[in-house]
Formats: sequence, structure tokens, C-alpha cells
Amino acid sequence: DSGVTQTPKHLITATGQRVTLRCSPRSGDLSVYWYQQSLDQGLQFLIQYYNGEERAKGNILERFSAQQFPDLHSELNLSSLELGDSALYFCASSAAGGRRRGEKLFFGSGTQLSVL
Amino acid sequence: DQQVKQNSPSLSVQEGRISILNCDYTNSMFDYFLWYKKYPAEGPTFLISISSIKDKNEDGRFTVFLNKSAKHLSLHIVPSQPGDSAVYFCAASVGNNDMRFGAGTRLTVKP
Repeated sequence: DSGVTQTPKHLITATGQRVTLRCSPRSGDLSVYWYQQSLDQGLQFLIQYYNGEERAKGNILERFSAQQFPDLHSELNLSSLELGDSALYFCASSAAGGRRRGEKLFFGSGTQLSVL
Repeated sequence: DQQVKQNSPSLSVQEGRISILNCDYTNSMFDYFLWYKKYPAEGPTFLISISSIKDKNEDGRFTVFLNKSAKHLSLHIVPSQPGDSAVYFCAASVGNNDMRFGAGTRLTVKP
């Protein structure tokens, strides 16, 4: 158990809809990362938050947004969903948010999103 | 853009033999490299890492080799065990921001 909690584990929705994925980092970790894993693709970095502030942005679509709350949990909002958004979405956390070189990430077990 | 590439989607080895997983990268600014292991229905877990100032790091049965001139790293598992069967992701970062992952290699270790 990595200590990172993601809910829900599975989500089935229709095109055009909006969903929210939730992530609780490990106790004490200040940074949260979101990754997308599509079929046969690696983990695509979406966005990182550190202590409530956006820290780095990757290949995140404009239809997607995220935030980190004062209690450090994070939510990833996906709107106007398309079939191609079907993927496994991982959240990861780290203690220092990239301030230490080579700092490892702790991943949740992911949310499997299916857009029908 | 695929800055980290794992060109072998799968690898099958016999128990007790060596497993060699390869990874290539294109960004010469990467200064830290990590390997993660993923079992089905679980998130990736950290396995081993190496700084760009080193060319080898060993942890038990796992050794990572880095060849900066070739922009290539490899993970050696000796001896391989059935419990090592998983998907292995190579990752690279510049100061641990914006960590980039490869597509993964599925390792199967046969008893």
C-alpha cells in the first residue's frame, strides 16, 4: 500500500459529460502529480501541484483542470469527455515536490475511466 | 513527444536467468533516471534509480546501468524470479520536475 488513495477505482460515463477524479496523497506529502496512461502508452504527465500551487504542467488538455485543496487532497476535472479520454489516470505524491533530485513518487492504484 | 523510449513492449525469460530491460532517451538535460515496477490493478512502485553522475547502481538483484554518451540505460535483474513478472517503466527527469515515463516493458519470468 503506497498510502496514496484514489477514488473512484472505476468510472463509466458518456461522451460530453464531466467527471471528477479524487486523490489523497500520503500523509505528510505536499506534492501531487497526475498522470494519464492510455492503451499501450507510457505514463503521460499532466500536472503537478505543490502545497496548493500549480508547480508544473505537462500535456494537459484545456478541457482538463485540476486543483489541490488546503488539506492537500487533489481533484482532476475532465469535461466535454471524448472517447479518446478513456484511460487509466494515476495520482502520485512526493514529500518535497521536486526540490530533491531523484525524489521518488508514490502512486495510487489509479482510476480507470471509460467513456462510451 | 517521446523523450523516453522503451522499444521492447515485452520480454520473456526463464527463472534463474538474467532479465535485461532497455531504455533510451533523447533529452540530454535529464539528470536522474528511475525504474518503476507495476503489477496489475496497482500503481507503479519505485524500484531503483541512478543519478547522471554515476554509471551503475546496484540494489540486491537489481542493477541499473547508465550510458550517457549513448543516452541509454538498462535494468538487469539477476537471477530473475516469477514474482518479478510485471510491467517495468523507465522514467527520467530534470531535477525531478516533470518526470517523463516510457511506454513500459512487460516482463514475464517463466518457472
